[in-house]
Amino acid sequence: GQQVMQIPQYQHVQEGEDFTTYCNSSTTLSNIQWYKQRPGGHPVFLIQLVKSGEVKKQKRLTFQFGEAKKNSSLHITATQTTDVGTYFCAGPRNAGGTSYGKLTFGQGTILTVHP
Amino acid sequence: NAGVTQTPKFRVLKTGQSMTLLCAQDMNHEYMYWYRQDPGMGLRLIHYSVGEGTTAKGEVPDGYNVSRLKKQNFLLGLESAAPSQTSVYFCASSYSSFHNQPQHFGDGTRLSIL
Repeated sequence: GQQVMQIPQYQHVQEGEDFTTYCNSSTTLSNIQWYKQRPGGHPVFLIQLVKSGEVKKQKRLTFQFGEAKKNSSLHITATQTTDVGTYFCAGPRNAGGTSYGKLTFGQGTILTVHP
Repeated sequence: NAGVTQTPKFRVLKTGQSMTLLCAQDMNHEYMYWYRQDPGMGLRLIHYSVGEGTTAKGEVPDGYNVSRLKKQNFLLGLESAAPSQTSVYFCASSYSSFHNQPQHFGDGTRLSIL
């Protein structure tokens, strides 16, 4: 079945350092979403990428969708303590038909930021 | 506008007990989902619903049942709880669309089975 893999599983950085998490799918994705989950919280939608090679920015966060639409990345410039949390990518769970909004989530990357 | 509300927030059960987790959304979303989250395994889909009166199995449905009698509510039931069902359970909802829409999550229910 469809698999969405994320690396690394953990990342520890000093405040001010950059951070990148990578997402790879076993199948071509029509789109990819990114979510952030603060410690003890719930996942919160960040962004959706649809087009091949698409790059979107949200302040210090840069999201990319690969040309083959099988991989994606999230890059945070100059991390802050407020960036702490788990970042998930998620792709449509199609199985050849409509996904009905269903998503396959990656395992997530847990980011800790040391002040 | 509360969004997605889950009750209860915490619960401890003994093996073999039953319980129901309630999810309510006030965004008029057609689609609703139940996930479980375990360390290192991301979010795994248990069951989902594409509209009132409809439910379908997700990735890990065994040991769970669901019902969606009203559009705004999606119930998750454990008939005979097992320690393997200790987890954090999240409900989510989204608009129906040909293209994926953002999912809106509740605060979660932290469930321990002893």
